Amino acid sequence: DTGVSQNPRHKITKRGQNVTFRCDPISEHNRLYWYRQTLGQGPEFLTYFQNEAQLEKSRLLSDRFSAERPKGSFSTLEIQRTEQGDSAMYLCASSNGKALGMNTEAFFGQGTRLTVV
Amino acid sequence: AQSVTQLDSQVPVFEEAPVELRCNYSSSVSVYLFWYVQYPNQGLQLLLKYLSGSTLVKGINGFEAEFNKSQTSFHLRKPSVHISDTAEYFCAVSDLAKLSFGAGTTVTVRA
Repeated sequence: DTGVSQNPRHKITKRGQNVTFRCDPISEHNRLYWYRQTLGQGPEFLTYFQNEAQLEKSRLLSDRFSAERPKGSFSTLEIQRTEQGDSAMYLCASSNGKALGMNTEAFFGQGTRLTVV
Repeated sequence: AQSVTQLDSQVPVFEEAPVELRCNYSSSVSVYLFWYVQYPNQGLQLLLKYLSGSTLVKGINGFEAEFNKSQTSFHLRKPSVHISDTAEYFCAVSDLAKLSFGAGTTVTVRA
């Protein structure tokens, strides 16, 4: 068990460019979550998958954002036409089971820090 | 809908002193509450969780929290802090599908 892995750890991009982040969850965890965290704020939910199915998306996830988990293992989060307001830490988490909170917990990666200049 | 409010954005405290971080929640369904800690440049780590049963929950690193249904609170406490407890602390509530976090409390422990 190597934990949740996120790549890259840091990304600097120019406004208008597209970026893609990758998250490798803990092996055999069927749920995968994406959160965004800005300075001085708590993580904000973006979306989550159960296996390869995307079950819920936040209103924060605009049309420029898309997430995939094609084989129910790793996931990618793409942001198209980045804006300065997209600058944040993007966190990925994974858990095992059908309900978050009963006998499961979410394990978080170290995040990808995006800076849009 | 679930939400949490962390009442203190920053808590300075001296080493070996007690600390309490306040969290109030709002939930329309069964309540599952969590406290996470985030050390500088690291991911979130679970400190403790309340699912049901005893209202006093003990976690890692000497932290504990008390669930109070009548006051809709889930305050985190540690009787004696160390320099290494300097971190950001987040209260969270689960709707069984996802976690919703508070804005966080920055704890700075001074010698």
